[in-house]
Amino acid sequence: EDQVTQSPEALRLQEGESSSLNCSYTVSGLRGLFWYRQDPGKGPEFLFTLYSAGEEKEKERLKATLTKKESFLHITAPKPEDSATYLCAVLGNTDKLIFGTGTRLQVFP
Amino acid sequence: DAGVIQSPRHEVTEMGQEVTLRCKPISGHNSLFWYRQTMMRGLELLIYFNNNVPIDDSGMPEDRFSAKMPNASFSTLKIQPSEPRDSAVYFCASSQGSNQPQHFGDGTRLSIL
Repeated sequence: EDQVTQSPEALRLQEGESSSLNCSYTVSGLRGLFWYRQDPGKGPEFLFTLYSAGEEKEKERLKATLTKKESFLHITAPKPEDSATYLCAVLGNTDKLIFGTGTRLQVFP
Repeated sequence: DAGVIQSPRHEVTEMGQEVTLRCKPISGHNSLFWYRQTMMRGLELLIYFNNNVPIDDSGMPEDRFSAKMPNASFSTLKIQPSEPRDSAVYFCASSQGSNQPQHFGDGTRLSIL
């Protein structure tokens, strides 16, 4: 059964304090790993897609990496506006996107 | 560009009433997905369509739930009769293909009293 586990559940950072979010997965036939950002009262907003181990993607202060078992979302020098819930999801042979429960990030000035 | 549009944004109704949620996908997207999000279970896929055809409805919790996509620009999710345990946020998403990124609407927050 395809499964996604995200850690930590919640993370509090001081502005400028870099850190990483983890997404561990098991999937039959990985066709893509997706990172989303969700703000309160909003739908998930697409950030990145990673398709194969070793792949990396960057966008502003965010960098996503992928291995055969996990993905990391690295946040460099975060700002308060980076506060949100970050969701990881995998797509395998079932054709269904399986989501983790997310990491709730709070960045304080 | 217009994103995925959902209506209503909020719905409060009494147990037993029929509820209809609406979704307009992004133009040109041929896959449409309905999800439910709760604190306990996170985001769960209910049903998805490819080219207006339902492909997998195994996530639909009960026969009380039904979904339709009469054309490429409109889909509905109906609950009849509604129950308090159906209270959740319901999201619609669309994509250009099954392995392409899904783009979400802002959801319908449903409360069944």
